[in-house]
Amino acid sequence: DSGVTQTPKHLITATGQRVTLRCSPRSGDLSVYWYQQSLDQGLQFLIQYYNGEERAKGNILERFSAQQFPDLHSELNLSSLELGDSALYFCASSVETRGERFFGPGTRLTVL
Amino acid sequence: ILNVEQSPQSLHVQEGDSTNFTCSFPSSNFYALHWYRWETAKSPKALFVMTLNGDEKKKGRISATLNTKEGYSYLYIKGSQPEDSATYLCAFNNAGNMLTFGGGTRLMVKP
Repeated sequence: DSGVTQTPKHLITATGQRVTLRCSPRSGDLSVYWYQQSLDQGLQFLIQYYNGEERAKGNILERFSAQQFPDLHSELNLSSLELGDSALYFCASSVETRGERFFGPGTRLTVL
Repeated sequence: ILNVEQSPQSLHVQEGDSTNFTCSFPSSNFYALHWYRWETAKSPKALFVMTLNGDEKKKGRISATLNTKEGYSYLYIKGSQPEDSATYLCAFNNAGNMLTFGGGTRLMVKP
């Protein structure tokens, strides 16, 4: 158990819908990262927040957005969902940006 | 786009064999190189974070080396065991703080 929690574990929804994935980092970690793992693809970095502010952006689509709240939990919002958005979404946290990432258990999103 | 490549993509070995994998990454803007172990149905877990050229790290039967000037890292597993079966990911951390993952090496150890 890494200490990072993610909810829900599984999510099944339809194209065009909007969903919110939630992540709570390890106690004391200020950085939160979101990653996407699609079928046959590696882990793709989406976005990083540090203490409530966006710090780095990766291959995140405009239909996706994220935020980090004062209590440091983070939410990833995915809208106008397409079939290709079906993936495993991981949240990770770290003490510092050079440090190891502690990954949550992931949320498996299925878009039908 | 940062290019982080791992080879081989997959590897089948017998229990007791020693093995190694390669990770190549850009040699500029180096900040850190991470290795993660990812077992099926679990989430990635860090093995090593390496920051200095020439770094060597060891954890039990697993060790890693780092060459930042030429942009490669090796992960070694001595005397592979079935429980070592997993995907091993390397990730390059550049000065911009992004962590770019390689595609992974999938190791299967047969008893």
